Amino acid sequence: GAGVSQSPRYKVAKRGQDVALRCDPISGHVSLFWYQQALGQGPEFLTYFQNEAQLDKSGLPSDRFFAERPEGSVSTLKIQRTQQEDSAVYLCASSLIGTKDSPLHFGNGTRLTVT
Amino acid sequence: AQSVAQPEDQVNVAEGNPLTVKCTYSVSGNPYLFWYVQYPNRGLQFLLKYITGDNLVKGSYGFEAEFNKSQTSFHLKKPSALVSDSALYFCAVRGGGYQKVTFGTGTKLQVIP
Repeated sequence: GAGVSQSPRYKVAKRGQDVALRCDPISGHVSLFWYQQALGQGPEFLTYFQNEAQLDKSGLPSDRFFAERPEGSVSTLKIQRTQQEDSAVYLCASSLIGTKDSPLHFGNGTRLTVT
Repeated sequence: AQSVAQPEDQVNVAEGNPLTVKCTYSVSGNPYLFWYVQYPNRGLQFLLKYITGDNLVKGSYGFEAEFNKSQTSFHLKKPSALVSDSALYFCAVRGGGYQKVTFGTGTKLQVIP
């Protein structure tokens, strides 16, 4: 069966460029999360959607980061004017329902390198 | 706020021996606790969860975890380690008024043949 799909798998951007990272969650999954994982670290929460509503964006590190999920399925994480500190793996996860006991299903991530 | 601590960066264990990967947490209200495993260049895979009930929960690939409320711990265990268990393991918590899942920094498990 189809899991969470993220694209591109790898992205190299020059400092100052804008990037867009895509996440296709498992069909029918209500909740969608974005995490940032720096090398050798655990995933750090960025933002959370329930259907199309962005319920928590407290983890977005600056106003250069923006996420959307306009139709409650595919989500895009956009980073404007990329900086070297944005280099990380960006993980998307979805879960079937919005209850706290629902495990997250992760994609393989997008590795962003800012040069 | 909620947090997770994984005190060991790396755990080495001989194949066939029991393994333990430690985790402690802090959360207001009842905790929802999870263990995930990550293989190189892959996303995280769910192993098991504790919601309520029995303090020993069983999960995938023969792993289990023991919940201890008084010690606020949720240690991952396996009776007999396999070389294929070598990976990065993350403990996670969700609780209080938060929907977000907070992860620990991870523990690298190395099973030595």
